[in-house]
Amino acid sequence: DTEVTQTPKHLVMGMTNKKSLKCEQHMGHRAMYWYKQKAKKPPELMFVYSYEKLSINESVPSRFSPECPNSSLLNLHLHALQPEDSALYLCASSSPGVRWGGYTFGSGTRLTVV
Amino acid sequence: DAKTTQPNSMESNEEEPVHLPCNHSTISGTDYIHWYRQLPSQGPEYVIHGLTSNVNNRMASLAIAEDRKSSTLILHRATLRDAAVYYCILRGGAQKLVFGQGTRLTINP
Repeated sequence: DTEVTQTPKHLVMGMTNKKSLKCEQHMGHRAMYWYKQKAKKPPELMFVYSYEKLSINESVPSRFSPECPNSSLLNLHLHALQPEDSALYLCASSSPGVRWGGYTFGSGTRLTVV
Repeated sequence: DAKTTQPNSMESNEEEPVHLPCNHSTISGTDYIHWYRQLPSQGPEYVIHGLTSNVNNRMASLAIAEDRKSSTLILHRATLRDAAVYYCILRGGAQKLVFGQGTRLTINP
């Protein structure tokens, strides 16, 4: 299995809702990442997990809460989002500490906040 | 992270070679040069990486200047499916992959 699977593919939520994005990989990668991508812009790093521990938080607002329950799963919990948070949310994985290793990305969850 | 500079857009014809340039004049000795591409409505896809020597794989070739201040991604025979945004990224010691603006490649039939 050489894929990163993200669910759901599309999500519409109100500003008072709570929802979660899910990401799964079975490549044995021990580093996992969340990126946010606005239309016509490059992906922006949000969080890095290494060996199930949060190692980098790129000053992301607390309405985004990441969780790594085990080495194969990564969640992003969403609460009280704003319309400007509408974006494509990408999950990726890699072998940590290997600078020459490639990242594998999922196809993303397209989030719309209404 | 050291910065890369790429043209905003490029255009080529199907079945012709494409050379995508990237400047990285502040590259450090331990930075690897990575290339990713992002097809429409998909996540980025790893293409190739290198440190000092030129590299080839089934997708592309990477030519690295002797002083490492620039590199070129070469698609030997472009197809319509190669239309994408191509990102040149320097990856150093930090556990981060930081994307620049990239080059939007259009392939004409």
